[in-house]
Amino acid sequence: NAGVTQTPKFQVLKTGQSMTLQCAQDMNHEYMSWYRQDPGMGLRLIHYSVGAGITDQGEVPNGYNVSRSTTEDFPLRLLSAAPSQTSVYFCASSYRGRHTDTQYFGPGTRLTVL
Amino acid sequence: AQTVTQSQPEMSVQEAETVTLSCTYDTSESDYYLFWYKQPPSRQMILVIRQEAYKQQNATENRFSVNFQKAAKSFSLKISDSQLGDAAMYFCAYRSPVNSGNTPLVFGKGTRLSVIA
Repeated sequence: NAGVTQTPKFQVLKTGQSMTLQCAQDMNHEYMSWYRQDPGMGLRLIHYSVGAGITDQGEVPNGYNVSRSTTEDFPLRLLSAAPSQTSVYFCASSYRGRHTDTQYFGPGTRLTVL
Repeated sequence: AQTVTQSQPEMSVQEAETVTLSCTYDTSESDYYLFWYKQPPSRQMILVIRQEAYKQQNATENRFSVNFQKAAKSFSLKISDSQLGDAAMYFCAYRSPVNSGNTPLVFGKGTRLSVIA
C-alpha cells in the first residue's frame, strides 16, 4: 500500500491564484480530512469527509473548498490564494470502525503565497 | 468543543535519560481516544502511542508509555532511555468515538523535544 499520498510537496503561488492540493489513499478509508499547520498553532482542521459525497467544515474552512467524489480522493481547492494561507497542509485518513480509529497522515504540502 | 493543552512549548533531555511530556484535555464525553504523534524535521506525522479512554491500563510501546488519568483529564507521555532520534515536535491529540459522526483529531500546540548528547 502507498498509504496516504499528497501532491505537490511544495508550491509557490501569487496572491489571487487558485490551485488544488491532491490527496489520495489506497486503504479504503471512509474518513478523510485536511489540516493546516502553522508555527505555534499545532494542526487545525480545515474540512473533513465521512464518506464519498459527504463533506463538512472544520475549524478554519474559509478560503477552501473540498469535494469527495470517490472513496480514494479528497482534493483541497484554494479559490483565491492569500498570504494568510501560507502553511503546511496535511491530509489524513482512517477507517470508521470503533477499533480502527487511528488516523494516517500524508507527507504534507508546503504552500507559500506571495 | 474539546480542547487539548500542552503547557510545555520546549523540553530537553540528556541522552539515555527519561523525560515526560504533559498534556491535558477538556471534554464532556466519557468515551474517546487519545494519541501522541511525533513530527521529526521531515514533517511526517508519526503515531507514537494511543490510548482508549475506556481502558484503565496505560498504553506502552517499547520506550514510550503514557500516564492516563481520566478523572484529571491528563495524558502525559514518558520517553525512557532517550535517543537522539527522539528529537522532534510531539503533539497530543484527542478524538471522539468514530461512530459519533464527528471524528477529526483535535491537536495541542505541540512540545519541541531536544535530546542532548
